[in-house]
Amino acid sequence: GENVEQHPSTLSVQEGDSAVIKCTYSDSASNYFPWYKQELGKGPQLIIDIRSNVGEKKDQRIAVTLNKTAKHFSLHITETQPEDSAVYFCAASIQGYGNNRLAFGKGNQVVVIP
Amino acid sequence: KAGVTQTPRYLIKTRGQQVTLSCSPISGHRSVSWYQQTPGQGLQFLFEYFSETQRNKGNFPGRFSGRQFSNSRSEMNVSTLELGDSALYLCASSFSQGELEAFFGQGTRLTVV
Repeated sequence: GENVEQHPSTLSVQEGDSAVIKCTYSDSASNYFPWYKQELGKGPQLIIDIRSNVGEKKDQRIAVTLNKTAKHFSLHITETQPEDSAVYFCAASIQGYGNNRLAFGKGNQVVVIP
Repeated sequence: KAGVTQTPRYLIKTRGQQVTLSCSPISGHRSVSWYQQTPGQGLQFLFEYFSETQRNKGNFPGRFSGRQFSNSRSEMNVSTLELGDSALYLCASSFSQGELEAFFGQGTRLTVV
């Protein structure tokens, strides 16, 4: 199937703390896992991605970890700031009608409390 | 370099009408995918176009259609609009067919009344 699930649906953190969002996927052939950040009134912005041959990837305050055996991957945001408040979407590649395509989770609302 | 451009940003249509949305991908990108975003369902894949041909499609009725021009610009059309078609329609641009690194536009907010 193409199920991609995100937990928790809403996450509130104090400014400066860390936030972790977890996604699970069902297609064992999935090999590309991006994360998008969507601010109010804007389209989703690609913030980090990981491919199946890598277990972890970091970019400044954000990191993504992948556990292929358990079929889950997580977004880690350290030293959260108010501008990190947004909806975060995970996605996983799946075999579509034609080419591979992305299946998205339903999003996590992250609220950073100043 | 310019990002993905979607026009118009907002639309209000009446049930039964049809609507056409436009997407210009990032310069040099040749693949365009369309998504419908609603609060309850998240991002739902509509279709992907590459080299003026539909390469992939989601599970939407035939009222939803699209096309791509030789300059990679894409349009999607929804005919016989229903209230449930109210959503944010997003276009994503990728360098090539099957290239999954995708960049989104700001979307077109469609309201059907």
